[in-house]
Amino acid sequence: NAGVTQTPKFQVLKTGQSMTLQCAQDMNHEYMSWYRQDPGMGLRLIHYSVGAGITDQGEVPNGYNVSRSTTEDFPLRLLSAAPSQTSVYFCATTLTGREAFFGQGTRLTVV
Amino acid sequence: QQQVKQSPQSLIVQKGGISIINCAYENTAFDYFPWYQQFPGKGPALLIAIRPDVSEKKEGRFTISFNKSAKQFSLHIMDSQPGDSATYFCAASIWGAQKLVFGQGTRLTINP
Repeated sequence: NAGVTQTPKFQVLKTGQSMTLQCAQDMNHEYMSWYRQDPGMGLRLIHYSVGAGITDQGEVPNGYNVSRSTTEDFPLRLLSAAPSQTSVYFCATTLTGREAFFGQGTRLTVV
Repeated sequence: QQQVKQSPQSLIVQKGGISIINCAYENTAFDYFPWYQQFPGKGPALLIAIRPDVSEKKEGRFTISFNKSAKQFSLHIMDSQPGDSATYFCAASIWGAQKLVFGQGTRLTINP
């Protein structure tokens, strides 16, 4: 089992460019979420999904879109990248809503 | 607002010493308090967790102490080892809300 797989691992974008961060899980968990990690800020929830077709906003949703068409995949889209979105992004899944299993992260730099 | 406040931001402990990281929360509806450990270049991983109906939980060298009246909980690492050097996050959640709220993180360094 791969668990939670994120691609790419590293990405550099120019301001205004768009991109999609991919997240795939083979744990058959219903709940998936996206976090961003910034120094001194901890992990902040961007968007989450409680199942296919259902998504909701977290603490810092502005500038990001998500969709959930399957249980396995939960992509995060940046429509027009800004330097403030430079961060490390983590996708996570949970079965019970308790223990979260994280991917290895995507380090994004917006110049 | 920060619902879970963690301190200190960084901590240096000598090998064999006790590492202590503290967290405080505001929402009394929280009913699950996990700690996550993160090594460089990796995602966080669950280390140990506690429910508010107990005051202490121990797993090996790791202990969570929980003070419900003070709305505080802490992680104690006994006999700290260089391999414990990592970033530690406390978190809290509400059953049914399925969202974890994380503290700011503590970068722990164990000197050999």
